[in-house]
Amino acid sequence: QSVLTQPPSASGTPGQRVTISCSGSSSNIGSNTVNWYQQLPGTAPKLLIYSNNQRPSGVPDRVSGSKSGTSASLAISGLQSEDEADYYCAAWDDSLNGYVFGTGTKVTVL
Amino acid sequence: EVQLVESGGGLVKPGGSLRLSCAASGFTFSTYSMNWVRQAPGKGLEWVSSISSSSSYIYYADSVKGRFTISRDNAKNSLYLQMNSLRAEDTAVYYCARGLKATPSPRDWFDPWGQGTLVTVSS
Repeated sequence: QSVLTQPPSASGTPGQRVTISCSGSSSNIGSNTVNWYQQLPGTAPKLLIYSNNQRPSGVPDRVSGSKSGTSASLAISGLQSEDEADYYCAAWDDSLNGYVFGTGTKVTVL
Repeated sequence: EVQLVESGGGLVKPGGSLRLSCAASGFTFSTYSMNWVRQAPGKGLEWVSSISSSSSYIYYADSVKGRFTISRDNAKNSLYLQMNSLRAEDTAVYYCARGLKATPSPRDWFDPWGQGTLVTVSS
């Protein structure tokens, strides 16, 4: 019952730029910050972007996040094979009084 | 090193109960909110529950409200999830994750995450 909608898949060749969208509503993205998580195959999720556009230490600057209105985006430039993973957006939802995750996007490096 | 290690998963029959644990180390557990997030096989992430550092604030997803109970023991640096009246749709890997501050907030994020423990509900 994800309330944040992401495209199921995205792909690119090495070196290209990939963008993932996350569409929500006024009760979640529209009024709260967005975080992004990366889940490599067979591993636990890892924080990738917090507070819309902040990178934790260790995350390269070719990864960036943005938010506008009720949507958010994650961009990965200079795509590398190690970027093959599932990516999830997340935000607090004021109506549900809880956190909501996006439907997830699988990124494939061709 | 900050570490979270879940345990307690396993196979349980529909209607049964299970208690998950999450052992924390490498940080002052009593000053952080904690969370449970689950992932059904081949599916996306679903937030389950959050608890503040002093257990004063607790939140649940509608899908588990009334069946699951989150708790913590700061003296033991441990987080728990008591799961009752389990259903097939509760089958998932359950992750514990640390929050940002003492109280869950709309500006929170989850970092780090444990490796997860698998719960299978099947007859």
